[in-house]
Amino acid sequence: QSALTQPASVSGSPGQSITISCTGTSSDVGGYNLVSWYQQHPGKAPKLMIYDVDKRPSGVSNRFSGSKSGNTASLTISGLQAEDEANYHCCSYVSSRTWVFGGGTKVTVL
Amino acid sequence: QVRLQQSGPGLVKPSQTLSLTCAISGDSVSSTSAAWSWIRQSPSRGLEWLGRTYYRSKWYYDYAVAVKSRITINPDTSNNQFSLQLNSVTPDDTAVYYCARTYCDSTRCHITFDYWGQGTLVTVSS
Repeated sequence: QSALTQPASVSGSPGQSITISCTGTSSDVGGYNLVSWYQQHPGKAPKLMIYDVDKRPSGVSNRFSGSKSGNTASLTISGLQAEDEANYHCCSYVSSRTWVFGGGTKVTVL
Repeated sequence: QVRLQQSGPGLVKPSQTLSLTCAISGDSVSSTSAAWSWIRQSPSRGLEWLGRTYYRSKWYYDYAVAVKSRITINPDTSNNQFSLQLNSVTPDDTAVYYCARTYCDSTRCHITFDYWGQGTLVTVSS
């Protein structure tokens, strides 16, 4: 199973909105509404930010939103803040009861 | 609050077996509302899901194709924990290993990896 494709890096200024893409195939992202997104600060475990494409767990800021079109999922961070600087990883269910992650995107707040 | 506490050696010799344990508090390894996974992370491969176990009247196991011939995940109900064994390791298995929970409702497991262990750096080297 190939990893999902994410841009290596995305940057934005405080207050701006940025969007991170996650491209897969019809066997993963496009085939199921089971895409999740994780925020990871250096040296820390990942933190769930979005599940089921567009749902936020309790406690996650509503500045984070998810969407999907065809084989590409997206994470949008609005009102970018310094604390949002981190690595972001997407993940999707794949047929045959397995999961695949993207390569990760480093978000830089300028 | 669910907490996952990992333990195990940080150094394993090539061709030997990597063994890690994930102790659960605030939930049960036998819960029918959860599935328990192992995930690893390396600079070359990023995050990689390795496999999971879950209980639904009996124990189920799902493994990633890339490691299926070498991996075993075992639940330990007596100690409310689960373990990872990866056989015949090579330096390519050097990574930070995480355990994680997925929450399941009555129809599917979909709140994926909502709780994570602290991570264990395992280096494969002689």
